[in-house]
Amino acid sequence: AQTVTQSQPEMSVQEAETVTLSCTYDTSENNYYLFWYKQPPSRQMILVIRQEAYKQQNATENRFSVNFQKAAKSFSLKISDSQLGDTAMYFCAFMIRPYSGAGSYQLTFGKGTKLSVIP
Amino acid sequence: DGGITQSPKYLFRKEGQNVTLSCEQNLNHDAMYWYRQDPGQGLRLIYYSQIVNDFQKGDIAEGYSVSREKKESFPLTVTSAQKNPTAFYLCASIYHIPRGSSNQPQHFGDGTRLSIL
Repeated sequence: AQTVTQSQPEMSVQEAETVTLSCTYDTSENNYYLFWYKQPPSRQMILVIRQEAYKQQNATENRFSVNFQKAAKSFSLKISDSQLGDTAMYFCAFMIRPYSGAGSYQLTFGKGTKLSVIP
Repeated sequence: DGGITQSPKYLFRKEGQNVTLSCEQNLNHDAMYWYRQDPGQGLRLIYYSQIVNDFQKGDIAEGYSVSREKKESFPLTVTSAQKNPTAFYLCASIYHIPRGSSNQPQHFGDGTRLSIL
C-alpha cells in the first residue's frame, strides 16, 4: 500500500516571501504521478501542480514549483512571492500510473498542511 | 460549463436514518470516487467506480453504499450503520489518463457537509 506523509500540520509565511511545504511518500511502484492540491476556505479542491515520476525535470506552474527527489521519495512544493490568496490547506497526493488503461486511478492523500499567508 | 455537481450542500441526519448524497458529472469521465474528509485526516477513499454497474470498496467503506446505474451519476448512501457520519464528503471524477489530455486528472465537486441532528 502507498502512504503519503506531510510532516508540517501548519505553516505561515509573510506576504511576498517564499515557503516550502514538505511531502514524502512510500511505494514499491516505479511509475506513478504526484500532485499538490489546494483547498481554500471554500473547501473546493484545486489542482496546483502535477509531476510524472518518469520525468526528471521538476514541474513548474507560475509561482509554484516542486523539488522531486525520486530516490528519496520526496516531493516538496515551493511557493514563491506568496500572496494572501495562497492561504489554504495543501494536500500532497499519489497515484499509481495505470498500465494499458487498467488500474483504479485512485489518489492517496497526505493529511495536509495548513498554510497561512500573513500580510 | 462541464463539471461535477454535489447536492445538497448541507445535510442533517437523524439517528437510525439513511441519507443519500448526490453526485452528477457532465464531463463524460469514466471513473468516479467518494472521499470523506475529517479535520486532521486528509481525504480518505470510501468507494470508487470505474465503469457503469461496477464499484469497489475503498479504505473506509463500512456503513456506506453506492450505485452506478448511469455514467453521469454516483450517489452515496450513508446508512444507519455508519456511527460517526459527521464529515465533509467530496465526489471526484477522472478520465482514464492514457487517453485523457487534461492536466487536471481528478475533478472535484464542491462537497456536502453532513451533520447529525
